[in-house]
Order: sequence, then structure tokens, then C-alpha cells
Amino acid sequence: DAKTTQPPSMDCAEGRAANLPCNHSTISGNEYVYWYRQIHSQGPQYIIHGLKNNETNEMASLIITEDRKSSTLILPHATLRDTAVYYCIVRPNSGGGADGLTFGKGTHLIIQP
Amino acid sequence: EAGVTQSPTHLIKTRGQQATLRCSPISGHTSVYWYQQALGLGLQFLLWYDEGEERNRGNFPPRFSGRQFPNYSSELNVNALELEDSALYLCASSKRVSGSGELFFGEGSRLTVL
Repeated sequence: DAKTTQPPSMDCAEGRAANLPCNHSTISGNEYVYWYRQIHSQGPQYIIHGLKNNETNEMASLIITEDRKSSTLILPHATLRDTAVYYCIVRPNSGGGADGLTFGKGTHLIIQP
Repeated sequence: EAGVTQSPTHLIKTRGQQATLRCSPISGHTSVYWYQQALGLGLQFLLWYDEGEERNRGNFPPRFSGRQFPNYSSELNVNALELEDSALYLCASSKRVSGSGELFFGEGSRLTVL
């Protein structure tokens, strides 16, 4: 898996948009960008993924730069429950199921009231 | 729909003993993954099972082993426990033929080795 770089921590005010950056300058053409989050002492939760187009779902939006070397996860209206460690992962989509995802240290997002 | 379930929630063992952790995947999922998360460390990939076979293994010693049963549930065995095996052990499942690579995680089993 290509390596990713994320800031270790970020703060965001409740109700504001939280923008979490991720650098993946060595990403290969067949590798997708995945985002997961882990709320304290719980199992990680899938958020969103994309290849090169921007993606949006009920949880978040994913913006991938045209050169695919970086991306930003956007939580449009952060709440206190969004406080968690957010992991950016790049991996190929073989279409045959996922082998072990490589989790880095992630970004600890703290939503301030 | 039930999510990934793991048991026990907590387990306390002493050094040298064996621990067995269990995981039931989401109905229809055939792949099961095990991760270790020690205190202050990230998630470390342990094992991947699919259709009853071990498909991939992380950088862990052979005393970490497991299996997947015909109903796709799985168990992780840790033999000759060491203090540093104390961690949260997370199980995840996914569909084998999945284009998304989306893994669904359970809440984990916390193993404490004294």
C-alpha cells in the first residue's frame, strides 16, 4: 500500500465544516483513497472512498486533487460525536475483496463545543 | 441486520496461557480480518480468512493463529501469551467479491495479559 501523511491532530468548532487533509504522493493509478474513523475504544468505521472523482455520501465528502497526490475529507457540519481518529488509506481495488488495510496513525479530530 | 459480533468483550489471562477470541461476520460476508491495536499504537493487520482459507498474514509470530469455520465465523488463538499481547483485538468482515474494499468492524475483544 502507498503511504499516506496526515496531521496528527486538528480542532474544529461544532457546527463548522471539518476539513481533514491527506497526502499520498506515491499513489498508483489503480489505488483508491479510503477514509475510516475510530471513535475511542470502538471498532473503525468506514466513511467514504474514491478513485479520482469527488465523492459524497450521507457522512462526508471526499475531494481528490487532479493529480491524485492528496485528498481532503470534509465533514460538513461537525458535531461532538465526530470526535475521533480519522484514517486515510490508499489501496488497490482488486474487485476480489479487501486484503489487510494498512492503518497509519491518522488524525485525531477534536470537535470543540 | 446484525453487525460483526465479537466475544468475549474482555478477557484476562496470565503469561504463558492461551487465549481464544471469536468473531461472527455480517450475514453474507465471507471474508474475516483480524487486527491488533495495542495501547498507544495503531491498528496492526494480523490475519485475513476467506472461504475457510488463510489468505494473508501480517508480521506476527506463529503463536498467533486462527481459523474460519464453514459458517464463516472465525476464531483467533494466541498461544504462550506475553505481556505485550495485551491489546484490543478487532475483527472485520467484508464480501469476498466486493468492489468497495469496505470493511465492517466489530467492537473488539480487549485482552489483558498479567
